[in-house]
Amino acid sequence: GAGVSQSPRYKVAKRGQDVALRCDPISGHVSLFWYQQALGQGPEFLTYFQNEAQLDKSGLPSDRFFAERPEGSVSTLKIQRTQQEDSAVYLCASSSGAERGNEQFFGPGTRLTVL
Amino acid sequence: AQSVTQPDIHITVSEGASLELRCNYSYGATPYLFWYVQSPGQGLQLLLKYFSGDTLVQGIKGFEAEFKRSQSSFNLRKPSVHWSDAAEYFCAVEGDSYDKVIFGPGTSLSVIP
Repeated sequence: GAGVSQSPRYKVAKRGQDVALRCDPISGHVSLFWYQQALGQGPEFLTYFQNEAQLDKSGLPSDRFFAERPEGSVSTLKIQRTQQEDSAVYLCASSSGAERGNEQFFGPGTRLTVL
Repeated sequence: AQSVTQPDIHITVSEGASLELRCNYSYGATPYLFWYVQSPGQGLQLLLKYFSGDTLVQGIKGFEAEFKRSQSSFNLRKPSVHWSDAAEYFCAVEGDSYDKVIFGPGTSLSVIP
């Protein structure tokens, strides 16, 4: 595909369930980012990968959040024991390089609702 | 630490009218500044960016923005708004670290026919 894709687009989870959110970046893109966007807010940085290396995970809100990109392409964001405050849109973005100013291309997001 | 404020939560303009969305940033050195647009059900799309040089930058869809260091501002403008411009607009700043892009809270734009 031409752009970043994410699946599922919508996810409803009961509190305490584990969820896995998938991101397919643009082919060949080195950098991959995850953001969390709460209702009415701007995206907030969660974590950053350069190829398969997770270089920054300072934005992950708790140890229930875990991300991986084992082969340097597809990435999965996993949330364990979901809580209501985890309800948000999770955005994935990729970019071709690793320098300042590289354009990030965003996917449509996964809307997670925790009941 | 860098931060971004967008003073207007929601703006309504008539189709064909001019538009200005405000953005103020906090960053010690010369920032990298961006404007993104988010339409319902769509991903964020880059409208324009400023790194250095000419302080008036042109973007896609007829948008432009002006960097004013003295005011720590990077306001987005469009001379004539179209109904399809109704969306959420985010200003963002990238600081020293490549991965640290900080987004503002957004401004929601409504367009009246």
